[in-house]
Amino acid sequence: GAGVSQSPRYKVAKRGQDVALRCDPISGHVSLFWYQQALGQGPEFLTYFQNEAQLDKSGLPSDRFFAERPEGSVSTLKIQRTQQEDSAVYLCASRLGGGSTGEQYFGPGTRLTVT
Amino acid sequence: AQTVTQSQPEMSVQEAETVTLSCTYDTSESDYYLFWYKQPPSRQMILVIRQEAYKQQNATENRFSVNFQKAAKSFSLKISDSQLGDAAMYFCAYRFSNTGNQFYFGTGTSLTVIP
Repeated sequence: GAGVSQSPRYKVAKRGQDVALRCDPISGHVSLFWYQQALGQGPEFLTYFQNEAQLDKSGLPSDRFFAERPEGSVSTLKIQRTQQEDSAVYLCASRLGGGSTGEQYFGPGTRLTVT
Repeated sequence: AQTVTQSQPEMSVQEAETVTLSCTYDTSESDYYLFWYKQPPSRQMILVIRQEAYKQQNATENRFSVNFQKAAKSFSLKISDSQLGDAAMYFCAYRFSNTGNQFYFGTGTSLTVIP
C-alpha cells in the first residue's frame, strides 16, 4: 500500500479483556516497530521485527503484551487482560531495510481506551 | 539512560513569522541521528527534518532548519514563514547509527499558528 495502515483506529476495551491491534506495513518493508504513546508523551519503543523474527522486545511493559509477525508482513500486537494503564495510542512503523539505516514510516496509530 | 528533553510544552507563532522549538538530549554515544517529527491531530508522525551527528553543517528543508550544537547536545528546530498547516505536535527524537532499532522521543511541543 501507499503507507503504513493500522486497524482499528479506535478501540474501547473493558478492563480484563484481551485486544488485538493490527499493523499493515508498507509492502516490502523488512523492519517493523511498535511504539506506545501515552497521553501527553512521546512514543516509547515496544518491540522490533526483522521479517518474521522478533529481534528486540525489550520495551514490552509486561508479559501481558505479545507481538507477532508470522509471515514477515502484517503484525499483530496483543494485549491480554487489559488494564487502565494500557490506555494509549499504539503506533506501528516500518522501514525498508533490515539494517540500521533508512527512515521509519509511521502509521496513524490505534487509540486504545480501557474502561 | 537515553533522554530527550523538550522544555516547551506549548508554543505559538503568528502566521508568516518565525518560531524556534528547543530540544536537548543526553547520550554517551558519538554516532547517531537526530530528527524532528510532526504529529497533526490525525496522529500520523511525519518526518520534518533529520541530522546526522557527524555532520557539522545544519540540515535545512525548505522553511525548516535546525541548529545542531553537538557539544551542548542541543538540536533546535526553526520554522520560517509559519503557515497554518504547521500547527501540530512536534517531537524531537534520536536513534543510534549502529543499532538504530528504536527512536528515543521527547515529550513534544504543541505549536499553534495564529492567523
